[in-house]
Order: sequence, then structure tokens, then C-alpha cells
Amino acid sequence: GENVEQHPSTLSVQEGDSAVIKCTYSDSASNYFPWYKQELGKRPQLIIDIRSNVGEKKDQRIAVTLNKTAKHFSLHITETQPEDSAVYFCAASLQGAQKLVFGQGTRLTINP
Amino acid sequence: DAGITQSPRYKITETGRQVTLMCHQTWSHSYMFWYRQDLGHGLRLIYYSAAADITDKGEVPDGYVVSRSKTENFPLTLESATRSQTSVYFCASSELFGISGPFYNEQFFGPGTRLTVL
Repeated sequence: GENVEQHPSTLSVQEGDSAVIKCTYSDSASNYFPWYKQELGKRPQLIIDIRSNVGEKKDQRIAVTLNKTAKHFSLHITETQPEDSAVYFCAASLQGAQKLVFGQGTRLTINP
Repeated sequence: DAGITQSPRYKITETGRQVTLMCHQTWSHSYMFWYRQDLGHGLRLIYYSAAADITDKGEVPDGYVVSRSKTENFPLTLESATRSQTSVYFCASSELFGISGPFYNEQFFGPGTRLTVL
């Protein structure tokens, strides 16, 4: 089955700097890669996703890149703000399969 | 986000007791999921359901039972609770969009239930 590894487990950056979180997956058939953000005490919420037919996707300050050959994908947050502090989860699945396998999570802290 | 709710939000029980966690969604989504969240393990899938009366095991199903007699409800039962089942439990739902185009997999999560087994 699919296995998703996420690094780092914790990340601390200065406000205004960029943050990068990386994930690797094991099943080359996976073709859908979402990222969820979970604020303290809240539920996970989708912030961006990418399908295997594209290499990069951007939405304002966040972007995701995908390298299918190396089987890894990354979340990039630019110009970080205090409200970006949260736990971020990557996940992988076969598109249409509905079942997601999540990484272990990264706790991102933005220091003022 | 009122579309998917969980009850109770907090529960304390004792080892060996039966506990049922409820999940209700108003979107008529076909798919529903139960996850547990533990520090260092992320979100691990317990069981999922593709439709009423169709359920399947996830990554960590042992000690749990599910049922889905109606599309909108997906209860999770711990038949004999153990301390290792102390966790935060999230229910989620999703739907397949696009008959001819790409499927859309976003899962919408409930607010979670914090369960403590003493």
C-alpha cells in the first residue's frame, strides 16, 4: 500500500521568510496530492492540491510542486504571516479512489 | 462547515466500556471516513464507506466497528475501549465530482471528538 513520509516534523521561521515542507510517496500509481492545514484545536482543511498531470500549482502565497520521477512533492509558503502557524499534512491517493494516506504532519511556527 | 458534525465532542470512558462516536453530514456525500489523530502519527484511517451498507477497513481497524445504514450517518463503535484508543477522532466526507472530467477528492472534516479512555 501507499506510504507517505513528511519532513520536517517541526519548522520555525521568521515572519516574512519562506517555509518549505517536503513529502515523499511510495506508490507510483498515486496521482492526487492534497495539502491540509490544521490550526490548533480545529479540523484539517484543504489548502491546495495537485494532480499528477501538472508539475506546479500556485494560489497566492502558497504553491505545491510535484516531481513524479522522484516521487516527492513540496509545499512552499512565501512571505509567511503569523496566521500561517499551524500543522500541515500532505497526503496521496489514486485520483478517484477517495482514500487518502496522510503524512505525519509538520508543525509550522511563524516567529514575529 | 455545519455540513458535517460529530458528537460527542468530548468523551471520557473507562477501559472495557463500549463507546459510540457519531458522525452526521448534510451534503449527501457518498464517501465517509473515520480517522484517528495521535501525536507523531498524523491522521490514520480506521474505516471508510463508499455508500450506505458498504464499508471497508483502513490502516488501523482493530478494536473498531462501523455501520452505515443511512447515507448521512456513519457511527464508529469501540466495542471494548482500551487506553491505546485514547485519541482525537475525526470523521470526514467526500464525493466524486465530474462524470466526464477529473474526479475531485477533497475531504471535508468534522470538528473532531476527543476521547479519553481511563
